[in-house]
Amino acid sequence: QSALTQPASVSGSPGQSITISCTGTSSDVGSYNLVSWYQQHPGNAPKLMIYEVNKRPSGVSNRFSASKSGNTASLTISGLQAEDEADYYCCSYAGRRHFVFGSGTKVTVL
Amino acid sequence: EVQLVESGGGLVKPGGSLRLSCAASIYPFSSYTLSWVRQAPGKGLEWVSSISGSSRDIFYADSVRGRFTISRDSAKNSLYLEMNTLRVEDTAVYHCARFPILGESYFESWGQGTLVTVSS
Repeated sequence: QSALTQPASVSGSPGQSITISCTGTSSDVGSYNLVSWYQQHPGNAPKLMIYEVNKRPSGVSNRFSASKSGNTASLTISGLQAEDEADYYCCSYAGRRHFVFGSGTKVTVL
Repeated sequence: EVQLVESGGGLVKPGGSLRLSCAASIYPFSSYTLSWVRQAPGKGLEWVSSISGSSRDIFYADSVRGRFTISRDSAKNSLYLEMNTLRVEDTAVYHCARFPILGESYFESWGQGTLVTVSS
């Protein structure tokens, strides 16, 4: 199973919006509405930000939103803040109770 | 508050073995499917293995199948990963993660991880 494809880095100024793409195949992202997104600050455990394509867990800011079209999922961060600077990973169910993660995107707040 | 605390990492030679543990403060323990997810230094996340609450259903990534064994002990509220025939490419921080109580579609809670280094 190959990793889902994400841009290595995305940057934006405070207050701006950025979007991170996550491209898979018809065997994972394209087949299931089971895409999740995780935020990871250096040295910390990953934190769930989005599940089942576009649902936000309790406590996650509504500045985070997500969607999916075909084999590509996307995470949008609106009103970018300094605390959003972190690595972001997408993840998709890939059938047979297997999961595949994205390659990761480093978000930099300029 | 959910707590997942991993232990057992360390330095091991190629071909060697190691057993990781994850102490889980989740209740009821047997209601949750648990997983191991690893992260090589400076790299992305990789799902390794999952085990259902009853231990009946177990799944492995192709990269570890036949070498790693996942298990759990309800009496100790603990998850384990027995790693054999270790390779240099198994070097990573190994995180314990929990699925939500209903469904196995995302990793709801994570531990900080324990570092495994495979090197001669």
